[in-house]
Amino acid sequence: EDKVVQSPLSLVVHEGDTVTLNCSYEVTNFRSLLWYKQEKKAPTFLFMLTSSGIEKKSGRLSSILDKKELFSILNITATQTGDSAVYLCARKGSSGGSNYKLTFGKGTLLTVNP
Amino acid sequence: GAGVSQSPRYKVAKRGQDVALRCDPISGHVSLFWYQQALGQGPEFLTYFQNEAQLDKSGLPSDRFFAERPEGSVSTLKIQRTQQEDSAVYLCASSTAGGPSSNEQFFGPGTRLTVL
Repeated sequence: EDKVVQSPLSLVVHEGDTVTLNCSYEVTNFRSLLWYKQEKKAPTFLFMLTSSGIEKKSGRLSSILDKKELFSILNITATQTGDSAVYLCARKGSSGGSNYKLTFGKGTLLTVNP
Repeated sequence: GAGVSQSPRYKVAKRGQDVALRCDPISGHVSLFWYQQALGQGPEFLTYFQNEAQLDKSGLPSDRFFAERPEGSVSTLKIQRTQQEDSAVYLCASSTAGGPSSNEQFFGPGTRLTVL
């Protein structure tokens, strides 16, 4: 199976806090791990991770992949109310052999209060 | 265009009606994907096109669902005889390359379908 599990499912923090979102996946035919931010519309691309141990960073957001333990984390430092969204994790590649298919987790709903 | 566009943004249908959802991918993108997102869930894969060829339709939930991309650009997802369980947001995504080389997928805003 190509299950992707995200935790926590929801999180409420105050502005300025640092948050860590978790994503675990199953290994069969794994190609890469992607993170998206979804507000009330289109999921917007954040990161794609293919290699283990290499941190990707964009402003206050960063992400890393651990291919041995089969998980990824997304960190957001100094959170702002505009960070409130659902954060989706997806693996590319499926046990059926397709290398293009994205399998998503249920997402983490992050609420940042002022 | 600047991004993936979808129309209509909202659609309300009576049970049993047919609906057609349109997707305009980013110009020049070879790959096009349709996903279904139920409330509180992540998107689930429906089907994949490389240019005009539908290479994977394994995620279509029933034979009431049909997708096409006749000229390798705009795509239409058609749902016949809609049922209440079809209520969801239908997302379209496109990416530059096909097959194993495909990189990140860019999503449209989705069509929210409500079946009464």
